[in-house]
Amino acid sequence: DTEVTQTPKHLVMGMTNKKSLKCEQHMGHRAMYWYKQKAKKPPELMFVYSYEKLSINESVPSRFSPECPNSSLLNLHLHALQPEDSALYLCASSQGVLYNSPLHFGNGTRLTVT
Amino acid sequence: GENVEQHPSTLSVQEGDSAVIKCTYSDSASNYFPWYKQELGKRPQLIIDIRSNVGEKKDQRIAVTLNKTAKHFSLHITETQPEDSAVYFCAAKGGFKTIFGAGTRLFVKA
Repeated sequence: DTEVTQTPKHLVMGMTNKKSLKCEQHMGHRAMYWYKQKAKKPPELMFVYSYEKLSINESVPSRFSPECPNSSLLNLHLHALQPEDSALYLCASSQGVLYNSPLHFGNGTRLTVT
Repeated sequence: GENVEQHPSTLSVQEGDSAVIKCTYSDSASNYFPWYKQELGKRPQLIIDIRSNVGEKKDQRIAVTLNKTAKHFSLHITETQPEDSAVYFCAAKGGFKTIFGAGTRLFVKA
């Protein structure tokens, strides 16, 4: 069982589609993250939310739009993606951005852009 | 910004042997160093971590050492087993971001 749940597990979308990735945690963590992982590469930070406020945007293109509706939920809205955006998208949470505590990852959404 | 280098990129050992993975970091403000294991098709999972006020930490067959002066930290796996085969990522955190090394693909041959 994972403590961070992500849906959907797989997503295939065309370049003109709009879709959303969802992430949920119930550990009381105050920090939530989106990472992108390409094959045989480390996770690459996209966004950091702290207490439901966007704290870091790692110069991610505007076709990716994050949203944190409450302390347990994190969404990533996708629009007009490119084939090179195909990757595993990992959500993670931690106690807080300034805590020396580990990231808890969800199982990820494997995204294919056609 | 922080940079984490990890070596080797691939490591192949015989079952029962030890495996060592080494990382260096650039930002002296980094003070938390987790290690994650990622099996094929699965999420990264924490296996051990160390904070900057500690030089060594051990958990059964896994140990991590930290040399703050040299900005080095290492993962040691003893008595390796086939189920240890995976990609291992070191990471460093100082502030908001956790920066990952490039990963080491460990193969344990039975």
